[in-house]
Amino acid sequence: GNSVTQMEGPVTLSEEAFLTINCTYTATGYPSLFWYVQYPGEGLQLLLKATKADDKGSNKGFEATYRKETTSFHLEKGSVQVSDSAVYFCALLSESGGSYIPTFGRGTSLIVHP
Amino acid sequence: GAVVSQHPSRVICKSGTSVKIECRSLDFQATTMFWYRQFPKQSLMLMATSNEGSKATYEQGVEKDKFLINHASLTLSTLTVTSAHPEDSSFYICSARGRVPNEKLFFGSGTQLSVL
Repeated sequence: GNSVTQMEGPVTLSEEAFLTINCTYTATGYPSLFWYVQYPGEGLQLLLKATKADDKGSNKGFEATYRKETTSFHLEKGSVQVSDSAVYFCALLSESGGSYIPTFGRGTSLIVHP
Repeated sequence: GAVVSQHPSRVICKSGTSVKIECRSLDFQATTMFWYRQFPKQSLMLMATSNEGSKATYEQGVEKDKFLINHASLTLSTLTVTSAHPEDSSFYICSARGRVPNEKLFFGSGTQLSVL
């Protein structure tokens, strides 16, 4: 079956530091890949996505590139802010028998200190 | 880690019938449950947020009379699709969070609803 693996953290950084959250996946076919963010007290929000190999998703300074050869979709940001403190979920969406089923990683907590 | 059980995993029903989907937190108290809908090839869409013992808060465009959410206990939330129609066919997934506001979400395994 499909699976998504990401570091659980917490990842603790100082403001303006570089961020990488690793995400690797196992899937059949050609899944779409997503990063979602859960801000404190809220539900999930889509951060960025990529639908095919070598696509780069980007939003709010975050980027992730769909790497089929390494089955990875690592999230990066060049300079984090305190407001980026949240939980980040890597997810894939694959088709199975006409249904589109999401698979989530367990989430990575990010804490950014001033 | 925490486990969220969602049932059924797949349901096929006739148009006009109602379908109930259950989401249970097995080893923690889920003070907040979120219900999402997965459209083909798109990102998750948040349908509603429910806090134990209070009415659910629905996102704009989601019919509360169509998608009834009950969160009567700290371990159970249900989504009932009333008078289902083929356009309601979709993948529905719940997620739950405990008492700490910035605690991680835990996801159910999802329910594939097919309305004939």
